Amino acid sequence: GNSVTQMEGPVTLSEEAFLTINCTYTATGYPSLFWYVQYPGEGLQLLLKATKADDKGSNKGFEATYRKETTSFHLEKGSVQVSDSAVYFCALSVHNQGGKLIFGQGTELSVKP
Amino acid sequence: KAGVTQTPRYLIKTRGQQVTLSCSPISGHRSVSWYQQTPGQGLQFLFEYFSETQRNKGNFPGRFSGRQFSNSRSEMNVSTLELGDSALYLCASSTGQGYDGELFFGEGSRLTVL
Repeated sequence: GNSVTQMEGPVTLSEEAFLTINCTYTATGYPSLFWYVQYPGEGLQLLLKATKADDKGSNKGFEATYRKETTSFHLEKGSVQVSDSAVYFCALSVHNQGGKLIFGQGTELSVKP
Repeated sequence: KAGVTQTPRYLIKTRGQQVTLSCSPISGHRSVSWYQQTPGQGLQFLFEYFSETQRNKGNFPGRFSGRQFSNSRSEMNVSTLELGDSALYLCASSTGQGYDGELFFGEGSRLTVL
């Protein structure tokens, strides 16, 4: 079946540190891949996406590249800020599955000043 | 434009009761999906409605049901509540067409079952 595995948290970093959150997936067919972010007390927001192999999604300094050969979609940011503290979810959707996203467990990021 | 609106935001019920949660999608969006979020199981897909028809369904018991109205607003119902139903229930909307998985989420309805 389809599944997403992401690194467990919590992850604690100092401001301006480099961030990597690992995400790997198992899917039939050719999924689209997403990173969603959930700030405290809020719903999820789409951070970035990639819909085919080798695509790079980017937004707000975050990047992730769709690697079909390693079935991965790792999230990176060169210099994190306190305001990046949130829970990050990796997710996939399979074509023709409509509004059904399969999420990883989430990784809590805490950035200290 | 207004985002996805969920009501109520918080509610407390006792075991055996039932609950109805409401979701108003972004104007023009015809697809509404529901997710359950718990610390142990994470985010799990419940079901999706598109143009008043259930289009996809997750692996939840029949106590969990939903519907969508002609104005795309959606409700989900949980009957015979169990303690394990305590969770944040998230609604998400999308255009539902030419779909690539981008969903717009509401802030959720937090259900506590005592």
